[in-house]
Amino acid sequence: AQKITQTQPGMFVQEKEAVTLDCTYDTSDQSYGLFWYKQPSSGEMIFLIYQGSYDEQNATEGRYSLNFQKARKSANLVISASQLGDSAMYFCAMREGGGYQKVTFGTGTKLQVIP
Amino acid sequence: EADIYQTPRYLVIGTGKKITLECSQTMGHDKMYWYQQDPGMELHLIHYSYGVNSTEKGDLSSESTVSRIRTEHFPLTLESARPSHTSQYLCASSDRRELPPPEQFFGPGTRLTVL
Repeated sequence: AQKITQTQPGMFVQEKEAVTLDCTYDTSDQSYGLFWYKQPSSGEMIFLIYQGSYDEQNATEGRYSLNFQKARKSANLVISASQLGDSAMYFCAMREGGGYQKVTFGTGTKLQVIP
Repeated sequence: EADIYQTPRYLVIGTGKKITLECSQTMGHDKMYWYQQDPGMELHLIHYSYGVNSTEKGDLSSESTVSRIRTEHFPLTLESARPSHTSQYLCASSDRRELPPPEQFFGPGTRLTVL
């Protein structure tokens, strides 16, 4: 079974609009962490936001927020006020347990922001 | 800003050649990782290390080998390159301390093409 599922291979959003990128995960661990990374066409991976499984509040970082629904095992990324520079691949990832920091990545969503 | 470096950024090489992809970080991180990523696809962990003289194979089987003689350096070697090794290789590191967010810092990647 896939540990991280991103069901949207590609998404379009109008500039200045908000967009939600879906991510569901599968784990039996009680302690885990969820990440979102951005990968522009240049190839580097840029860390965006993190949510710990015990965090009670949804994580926010500037225009990024993580809609964490623990019971549904979903960790959707919300980007508000999209900008042209947001066009990139977005990867959801999960670290299970503690200490090892091995991270499993989803297949990614390609976001294109339209002027 | 992450201080993790990879060289070369691009490499085109013939079948059968031995290659070493370099990865160095100046953050003093104990944990380092190598991922393989085909264009537009998810990242697959191929090697990781928890410290000097510690190396482990990742989730994706790889014919490459790694070494960790110094904390800051984690090179990846292919003894005999083949066209199936054509991919992007991303190096990452993380702090062993469990301070949130426990993200991995990524290098810019090496795009390898084997003819």
